[in-house]
Amino acid sequence: SAVISQKPSRDICQRGTSLTIQCQVDSQVTMMFWYRQQPGQSLTLIATANQGSEATYESGFVIDKFPISRPNLTFSTLTVSNMSPEDSSIYLCSGRPGGNEQFFGPGTRLTVL
Amino acid sequence: KQEVTQIPAALSVPEGENLVLNCSFTDSAIYNLQWFRQDPGKGLTSLLLIQSSQREQTSGRLNASLDKSSGRSTLYIAASQPGDSATYLCAARGTGTASKLTFGTGTRLQVTL
Repeated sequence: SAVISQKPSRDICQRGTSLTIQCQVDSQVTMMFWYRQQPGQSLTLIATANQGSEATYESGFVIDKFPISRPNLTFSTLTVSNMSPEDSSIYLCSGRPGGNEQFFGPGTRLTVL
Repeated sequence: KQEVTQIPAALSVPEGENLVLNCSFTDSAIYNLQWFRQDPGKGLTSLLLIQSSQREQTSGRLNASLDKSSGRSTLYIAASQPGDSATYLCAARGTGTASKLTFGTGTRLQVTL
């Protein structure tokens, strides 16, 4: 198993600003994933982050809006740029230690005013 | 494109009842299927993972089954308790090393006293 932590746990931000979310895993993982969960909905994959290479973004998500860093095998950051109220969501990071079972962090609840 | 559906969307049962949650997926070429629990405003907790070659997995009062050919999985919860109240999500993982999880819409379970 893996323990995944995220910072911050929640934040309230003003329109037009940016927020960087940090994700730390207690073991090395090759692939980390960033998801968004809008109110009352299921999870949508934003991007897959591999160490040492650029993240792979899903349709509808672009690097300019959601830049991702992956400096090592236990850490990643997701930035939500130029925020609007539509970006209000829970953002979750996830990883697969051992390549099989996938584990999730506690999420970052973002409110954009 | 994989699509995952969960029925029912919501379920309320009295404490002590046994219950079944259903998950269906359109593409049977999956690597594994994972069941998660999500408490309100929280991250996801992994409950059970079934590999594509397996028929079922058990953990305590939980039993998950998988029928790849029919594109179905069920999560059986025995002797339900109020603490089981949460949203339950199933997710199918595609094949290939870069495969991603496709999440279902979730079943919101309430166990009443």
